[in-house]
Amino acid sequence: EAQVTQNPRYLITVTGKKLTVTCSQNMNHEYMSWYRQDPGLGLRQIYYSMNVEVTDKGDVPEGYKVSRKEKRNFPLILESPSPNQTSLYFCASSLVIGGNQPQHFGDGTRLSIL
Amino acid sequence: AQSVTQLGSHVSVSEGALVLLRCNYSSSVPPYLFWYVQYPNQGLQLLLKYTSAATLVKGINGFEAEFKKSETSFHLTKPSAHMSDAAEYFCAVSPSNFGNEKLTFGTGTRLTIIP
Repeated sequence: EAQVTQNPRYLITVTGKKLTVTCSQNMNHEYMSWYRQDPGLGLRQIYYSMNVEVTDKGDVPEGYKVSRKEKRNFPLILESPSPNQTSLYFCASSLVIGGNQPQHFGDGTRLSIL
Repeated sequence: AQSVTQLGSHVSVSEGALVLLRCNYSSSVPPYLFWYVQYPNQGLQLLLKYTSAATLVKGINGFEAEFKKSETSFHLTKPSAHMSDAAEYFCAVSPSNFGNEKLTFGTGTRLTIIP
């Protein structure tokens, strides 16, 4: 089954404790992206990757890091999480960037930073 | 540059009534347009997409949307609402030229169905 898998689904942690949210896709997609979803703001892009070893900032990259060492994986790293990063996070992938290719989304990761 | 405006963050309709969710876009090049639906505790799923082949696009679950260039709109409709349609809906725009621009989402419309 074609899917984007995120882990964990839920995480409660404390300020400053490094965490990683994993994302994996099994569709051989080149393009992967991370979004955060906040009430009234919709989805905002954090980082994206057009292929292995190619990443770039989205609209709200501050406080986040990513890496793309393999085509299927695109982890999101919070080196020193803060309460304003409490949010619902989605990983997505598509065949290529833009154009008419729809994005496939994971089920989301709800992060609470205390 | 591109942007999406969804009018109405919350819409309530009675079961069996018409569903109309509004989306207006701005794009410097001809756009591709999408509607996604998000059910509780799930990710976004593609409902339908416009890629310039036809202005009236039919999607899953009985939804359709019409691209109107003169009005820069891509409103989502369904003739008869069902309880299972309760969800959040997002309109999104992407440029039709393959570049580095990303998919831009609207702020979403939460649809409530009244029994």
